[in-house]
Amino acid sequence: DVKVTQSSRYLVKRTGEKVFLECVQDMDHENMFWYRQDPGLGLRLIYFSYDVKMKEKGDIPEGYSVSREKKERFSLILESASTNQTSMYLCASSASQGAVGDTQYFGPGTRLTVL
Amino acid sequence: QKEVEQDPGPLSVPEGAIVSLNCTYSNSAFQYFMWYRQYSRKGPELLMYTYSSGNKEDGRFTAQVDKSSKYISLFIRDSQPSDSATYLCAMSRGYQKVTFGTGTKLQVIP
Repeated sequence: DVKVTQSSRYLVKRTGEKVFLECVQDMDHENMFWYRQDPGLGLRLIYFSYDVKMKEKGDIPEGYSVSREKKERFSLILESASTNQTSMYLCASSASQGAVGDTQYFGPGTRLTVL
Repeated sequence: QKEVEQDPGPLSVPEGAIVSLNCTYSNSAFQYFMWYRQYSRKGPELLMYTYSSGNKEDGRFTAQVDKSSKYISLFIRDSQPSDSATYLCAMSRGYQKVTFGTGTKLQVIP
């Protein structure tokens, strides 16, 4: 079974802190994604990556950056956390290069609260 | 206007009922249509995937796509309490990012 793990289930940070969210997948997938999920807004894509060291902006990249130094690991960075970044963050991975129809496997999510 | 519209519910049905979940969309370029199920405090998992118009059946689940009406449905037969979850529709143009609906919360009452 594909497994996508995220470093923390719950995280509480202060405004202005730098926050790192880590995601690891164990199936050698090329594609990795970061979403945030908010009530009434659904899943919104922040950044995605089709290969190591590659990144593409999603719909809401402002205030976020990403890093993919190894194929299995995709990190989301909040440079200076703000209260409007309080949300559920979901990481996903999929197998095929650029093929959207392929299954995205999601991690369990990180509930981030910024005070 | 959102590209994908989905009624948030909640939808409560008795065990054994047939459940109908729906989404409408505005982008006629969408070609791939998916349904994900998300249990509380878990990540979404893929339930069904269809390409273009038509029906697809998998056990108690049937996915329908009507591209002429820009309308997709997920039917659950003989619903069970274990089906209680949030159901997300999702769609894409192919080789592009996926657009998700906001999800419908379903509760199946024993």
